[in-house]
Amino acid sequence: NAGVTQTPKFQVLKTGQSMTLQCAQDMNHEYMSWYRQDPGMGLRLIHYSVGAGITDQGEVPNGYNVSRSTTEDFPLRLLSAAPSQTSVYFCASSPGPLEPDTQYFGPGTRLTVL
Amino acid sequence: GQQLNQSPQSMFIQEGEDVSMNCTSSSIFNTWLWYKQDPGEGPVLLIALYKAGELTSNGRLTAQFGITRKDSFLNISASIPSDVGIYFCAGRIGGNNRKLIWGLGTSLAVNP
Repeated sequence: NAGVTQTPKFQVLKTGQSMTLQCAQDMNHEYMSWYRQDPGMGLRLIHYSVGAGITDQGEVPNGYNVSRSTTEDFPLRLLSAAPSQTSVYFCASSPGPLEPDTQYFGPGTRLTVL
Repeated sequence: GQQLNQSPQSMFIQEGEDVSMNCTSSSIFNTWLWYKQDPGEGPVLLIALYKAGELTSNGRLTAQFGITRKDSFLNISASIPSDVGIYFCAGRIGGNNRKLIWGLGTSLAVNP
């Protein structure tokens, strides 16, 4: 199993550009989440999904959209990038109700918005 | 948003020393988790705790779920250079609230 994969690993955008951060898992996990990590701020939850077709907002959802059309994929969309979205983004998945705490994280996407 | 108070913020120790760090919350938690993040990688779960007073070990790591359910401790014995990284605590209030609340991390540096 590849676990949780994220692409791209690095990305530079100009203000106003849009892009999609990809996340995929091959463990048949129900739960998937997106976090951003900034210096001194720890991990902050952006959006999460408890299953295909179901998404909900986390702590810092503004400026981001998500969808969950399949169990495997959970893309994060930035519609109009802003410098405040410069961060490291992590996708995570966990099996579901029986093991809710075993979150597996991807390697991260380092995004810079100029 | 709500966050945990994690301390110390950073530590610089000599190889072979023991390390202690802790997290406290104003809320009662029913789950405490400890993660380690290596440079350039995502966090990896080290220990999960589910009961007040629970003491769990993972090799040289030992974590405890505080009796008050408002704190947790992580100890690393006989540190080695590969212990370098950022250690995060995370907790869950429980019930229908499944979201994790994260500490800001403890950065550990080990001098060989």
